[in-house]
Amino acid sequence: DAKTTQPPSMDCAEGRAANLPCNHSTISGNEYVYWYRQIHSQGPQYIIHGLKNNETNEMASLIITEDRKSSTLILPHATLRDTAVYYCIVRVYDYKLSFGAGTTVTVRA
Amino acid sequence: DADVTQTPRNRITKTGKRIMLECSQTKGHDRMYWYRQDPGLGLRLIYYSFDVKDINKGEISDGYSVSRQAQAKFSLSLESAIPNQTALYFCATMAGETQYFGPGTRLLVL
Repeated sequence: DAKTTQPPSMDCAEGRAANLPCNHSTISGNEYVYWYRQIHSQGPQYIIHGLKNNETNEMASLIITEDRKSSTLILPHATLRDTAVYYCIVRVYDYKLSFGAGTTVTVRA
Repeated sequence: DADVTQTPRNRITKTGKRIMLECSQTKGHDRMYWYRQDPGLGLRLIYYSFDVKDINKGEISDGYSVSRQAQAKFSLSLESAIPNQTALYFCATMAGETQYFGPGTRLLVL
């Protein structure tokens, strides 16, 4: 599976958009980009995934660059409840996920 | 009720003891997983199962074993616990592209 690079931490103001970057320069054509988050020590929660097109759901938007070497998760209006560790995962469609250290996002009032 | 449950939620045991962590799901999913998480790190895959007759090792299976007793139940055993198995353990199911995680079991091996 392609490796991912995420910043270790970032802050965001409540009510503003949070833009979380992820680099995956070695991604191959059949690898998907997934985002999960983990609030405190709870079980991770699925957010969104995509292959090459931008995706949006009720939680977030996923923007994947045209060359697919990087992506950005956008939380449109961050709240204090969005404080969590966010994991960017790249994998082939083989039902296994590999979690790195992720980005610790702190939303401040 | 939670869709994926884990028991116990917290456990303290001693080195050399056998311990079993249990996972049950009401989602009807065939695919189930066991992960461990060490402080400040991401999750690492221990074992996974695609159905009752299919068990596969993950990246860190040494020192662990599993049993898939039924579609709804997937147990993780530490045959002889050691202190570096102290960690937070998560069970998960998967359907489509989404994994659903349990609340975790915090294990301390003294």
